[in-house]
Amino acid sequence: QITLKESGPTLVKPTQTLTLTCTFSGFSLSTSGVGVGWIRQPPGEALEWLALIFWSDERRYSPSLNSRLTITKDTSKNQVVLTMTNMDPVDTATYYCAHRRTAVADFFDYWGQGTLVTVSS
Amino acid sequence: DIGMTQSPDSLAVSLGERATINCKSSQSVLNSSNNKNYLAWYQQKPGQPPKLLIYWASTRESGVPDRFSGSGSGTDFTLSISSLQAEDVAVYYCQQHYSTPYTFGQGTKLEI
Repeated sequence: QITLKESGPTLVKPTQTLTLTCTFSGFSLSTSGVGVGWIRQPPGEALEWLALIFWSDERRYSPSLNSRLTITKDTSKNQVVLTMTNMDPVDTATYYCAHRRTAVADFFDYWGQGTLVTVSS
Repeated sequence: DIGMTQSPDSLAVSLGERATINCKSSQSVLNSSNNKNYLAWYQQKPGQPPKLLIYWASTRESGVPDRFSGSGSGTDFTLSISSLQAEDVAVYYCQQHYSTPYTFGQGTKLEI
């Protein structure tokens, strides 16, 4: 079955760079149609899509955060990494990685449990 | 960006009664080439990640009870729960995946 798990720091300081890793199983990012996305959710607020990477290495980013985000994949390790530069307290949120419905469309059918990242000095 | 607006923000429904949540997009999310609406619905319970309920606006995800249904086309969509159960207490989100940035509604909190 498909599982995803996010890992990374729980606390980062303002201006630092956040690096989050999504480790998954049950699918391969070398298979045509597969994609993994990142979505975040500030405490008590709505979901915000951040980025998506496809099996082909095509990458899509939220335009509002494009200059700060980088998404990469390591197919051999079954991992997707998201980096976000110049962190600010408003970036405090639970960050989720999620599996894109394969070869269908960009909605997400499996999600990790999420990791809460707090930005504070 | 396509804006997604849900109504109401919160909703209290009695057990066994019908719940209806609306979602309106600022632009059509209907792809005329395949006649599919690029609209999904998720359920999120406290402390849990979102769970996919509905995609293509009206296709129920495998394993989702048939009391959940989706309808609508173009810019106006509805999620209905025909007979509310206690376990349906959650926040519900719509998402458009028609164009990037993929955007979510602000959420509707459903209570008993």
